[in-house]
Amino acid sequence: IAGITQAPTSQILAAGRRMTLRCTQDMRHNAMYWYRQDLGLGLRLIHYSNTAGTTGKGEVPDGYSVSRANTDDFPLTLASAVPSQTSVYFCASSQSGTSLSGELFFGEGSRLTVL
Amino acid sequence: KQEVTQIPAALSVPEGENLVLNCSFTDSAIYNLQWFRQDPGKGLTSLLLIQSSQREQTSGRLNASLDKSSGRSTLYIAASQPGDSATYLCAVRQPGNQFYFGTGTSLTVIP
Repeated sequence: IAGITQAPTSQILAAGRRMTLRCTQDMRHNAMYWYRQDLGLGLRLIHYSNTAGTTGKGEVPDGYSVSRANTDDFPLTLASAVPSQTSVYFCASSQSGTSLSGELFFGEGSRLTVL
Repeated sequence: KQEVTQIPAALSVPEGENLVLNCSFTDSAIYNLQWFRQDPGKGLTSLLLIQSSQREQTSGRLNASLDKSSGRSTLYIAASQPGDSATYLCAVRQPGNQFYFGTGTSLTVIP
């Protein structure tokens, strides 16, 4: 049972470097999300995609970009990493689109440290 | 904007006790409410999902209730065990596929 796979699990990165966090789901969910989790701030939505080919900005999108070329993959890119992007990043997915649906599933997270 | 609150932020109980975790939300226009468990260094694991038309859901020793009109949900854990120690988060889903999370209750069950 795979569910949502994130890679890498952990990464230390120099400031200014470009980094892509990968996320793949095998549940054929239409909606996918990227959150960051920081102590004291909880989970904050970075970007989301309601269906392949579309993306939207969440609460904290600055410095991040996403793409959704197909149903399964939703990579998150940091174009030029800064220390404030040190965080744990979670990818999530749900089958959404009707009023009675949408259980949210999470990956195991990617711990990113920017020095 | 929806605000989700979980009180207390931390809870410590002796093994065997029954306990209740609370979740409140400000906007009752929700599709569903979900309870999660998060162990240190791990992702969020879904425990229970309650649709807006439902009043409660049960899974093993866990029972979650939903009172949409008052903006409240509770997670009841029966006969707590040390393995229940974790952070418990609630989240509500609203139109537009947006999810709003509480900041969690950190539970410690003392053997």
